[in-house]
Amino acid sequence: NAGVTQTPKFRILKIGQSMTLQCTQDMNHNYMYWYRQDPGMGLKLIYYSVGAGITDKGEVPNGYNVSRSTTEDFPLRLELAAPSQTSVYFCASSHSGGDEKLFFGSGTQLSVL
Amino acid sequence: GNSVTQMEGPVTLSEEAFLTINCTYTATGYPSLFWYVQYPGEGLQLLLKATKADDKGSNKGFEATYRKETTSFHLEKGSVQVSDSAVYFCALMGGSYIPTFGRGTSLIVHP
Repeated sequence: NAGVTQTPKFRILKIGQSMTLQCTQDMNHNYMYWYRQDPGMGLKLIYYSVGAGITDKGEVPNGYNVSRSTTEDFPLRLELAAPSQTSVYFCASSHSGGDEKLFFGSGTQLSVL
Repeated sequence: GNSVTQMEGPVTLSEEAFLTINCTYTATGYPSLFWYVQYPGEGLQLLLKATKADDKGSNKGFEATYRKETTSFHLEKGSVQVSDSAVYFCALMGGSYIPTFGRGTSLIVHP
């Protein structure tokens, strides 16, 4: 089972460039989440989705966009990359929220220089 | 809103020492509580969970008890190993289905 797959694993961007972080899950999960992890700061929620066609902002959405056209895919778009977006990004999914556990991808390490 | 507070790290122990990582929470209603572990270079994975008051979650020698009266979910292990070195996150899931994570506590175990 693949679980949650994130690509790429590493990326370096120049200020002002844009890119899309890919996230795919093969577990037919309804809920999907994007987090960023900064050193010593834990996880901050960027966007989440409760099903195809439905997305909502989390704690730190500025500078990011998402879409959820299928159950499987939840890409995160960075427009006009800034150094403040240097971070490790994690995608996660769960079947139905509640007491269901989250499955995490292995992360994308992004540097904006 | 919901919040989770964890003890700051790093926690540094010798192999076979007793481990406690404190976690307290603030939430309305009756959230489910989780401990996740993150090994270097990897994503988080579930370590254990508890869904109601007085439940004890356990896995791989780790335990945590859901204490509603003290709003706590402390993680314990009787004898840590070098392989337990990782970052541990306490989390809750309330009625909004948006997980709330603590900041994480780094554990370093020396031989």
